[in-house]
Amino acid sequence: DGGITQSPKYLFRKEGQNVTLSCEQNLNHDAMYWYRQDPGQGLRLIYYSQIVNDFQKGDIAEGYSVSREKKESFPLTVTSAQKNPTAFYLCASSIGGLARSNEQFFGPGTRLTVL
Amino acid sequence: GQQLNQSPQSMFIQEGEDVSMNCTSSSIFNTWLWYKQDPGEGPVLLIALYKAGELTSNGRLTAQFGITRKDSFLNISASIPSDVGIYFCAGPQTSGSRLTFGEGTQLTVNP
Repeated sequence: DGGITQSPKYLFRKEGQNVTLSCEQNLNHDAMYWYRQDPGQGLRLIYYSQIVNDFQKGDIAEGYSVSREKKESFPLTVTSAQKNPTAFYLCASSIGGLARSNEQFFGPGTRLTVL
Repeated sequence: GQQLNQSPQSMFIQEGEDVSMNCTSSSIFNTWLWYKQDPGEGPVLLIALYKAGELTSNGRLTAQFGITRKDSFLNISASIPSDVGIYFCAGPQTSGSRLTFGEGTQLTVNP
C-alpha cells in the first residue's frame, strides 16, 4: 500500500535531549513537509522540502532541523534549543514539481512529550 | 500574507442534522482543499476544488468553490457520530508548494 508512515506514534524524551522523528513515503512524491499542532490549534509549518537535498524554513523553524538525503525520507530533529517541544507532529507529502495539484497527504502523526 | 478564516470555530449538533461550515479569505485562491482530522490522527483529504463555482460531492459531503474565488463551503448532510473531528480548509500560497490552512472547525455530534 502506498502512503506515509511516521514512527513512533508516541515519544517521550527528557528535557535537553535531541530527538529525531521519522517520516517515510512511498508515493514517489517530490515535496515533503513537517507541521506542528498544539491542542485546539491549527497546523503550523516547520520545514518543507521541494526536492532531494534541498529544504526551506517554514513559519516556526527555530529549534528544529531537517535533512532530505533521499526522496522517500524527511526526518525532523527536535533540538534542545526548542523551548516548548511537547506537541503533535505531522509529516505530509505532495507531488510537487510543476504538477497542478497542491494536495498534501498526511501521515498518522507522532505525539512528542518532553518530561 | 494570505490568511484563511474558518467559521464557526466549533459546532455541537444532534445526529441526523445537516452541517454547514465555511472558509473565507481576502485573497484569491485557485484551489480549495477540505480535510478532516480524527482525534489523534493525521488530516485526511476529503474534497479538492479547482474551478470557481465548482460543486463537488463525496458521499454525504458537498463542497463548493465560491464564485469570487475568496471563499469555500463544506456541507455535511444527515450527520452521524463518526463525523466528529476537526475540519480544515486549505489553499495554496502564491509561491511554491506551501498550503495556507484555516484554524479548523471542531464538530461534535451527539447520538
